[in-house]
Amino acid sequence: SQQGEEDPQALSIQEGENATMNCSYKTSINNLQWYRQNSGRGLVHLILIRSNEREKHSGRLRVTLDTSKKSSSLLITASRAADTASYFCATAYTHGSGNTGKLIFGQGTTLQVKP
Amino acid sequence: DTEVTQTPKHLVMGMTNKKSLKCEQHMGHRAMYWYKQKAKKPPELMFVYSYEKLSINESVPSRFSPECPNSSLLNLHLHALQPEDSALYLCASSPAGQRPNTEAFFGQGTRLTVV
Repeated sequence: SQQGEEDPQALSIQEGENATMNCSYKTSINNLQWYRQNSGRGLVHLILIRSNEREKHSGRLRVTLDTSKKSSSLLITASRAADTASYFCATAYTHGSGNTGKLIFGQGTTLQVKP
Repeated sequence: DTEVTQTPKHLVMGMTNKKSLKCEQHMGHRAMYWYKQKAKKPPELMFVYSYEKLSINESVPSRFSPECPNSSLLNLHLHALQPEDSALYLCASSPAGQRPNTEAFFGQGTRLTVV
């Protein structure tokens, strides 16, 4: 399977603490993306890191990518109750001759931030 | 307009019914996707359209029939579904038909129940 595997599956923290989620994948990728999903509805894109990048920041989010270990981590700093959601990594692959891409999701981490 | 609009939001159908899910975007994206998501699981890729042509079918049963009438619309026709097909069906689009180097935009999904 090309899917990413994430850990932990569930994470419960207090408001103000940092949350770290990890993602591993199996084959070469174009990029790796993180998405957030509230209550089983649509997914919202958070951040994209390209295969030639090692670290990226966006607001309270920090993403790292280690292509040698085929792994990525998402750090949410100073968490808020509103950050409670499911977080998925997604690996982007070029399919076939390169004219189409696939976005394959990891198993996800359910984050609960307690007020 | 950065929205992907899916209709209906909820659908209950019998196993002998024929229904269609609709997805619309006006961002000029030339790649559109259907995903299926079961409870507490990641989205699973079903189909990818690139420049209005079906480019990826992830071995989806023929009771699911996708259609892309134009660059803004994506349909999923449903016929003779089984109760195990009950899930959240998500539509997404992205700017590039080649190499998914950008984020995907997701609709809010259609929650389908097959009775």
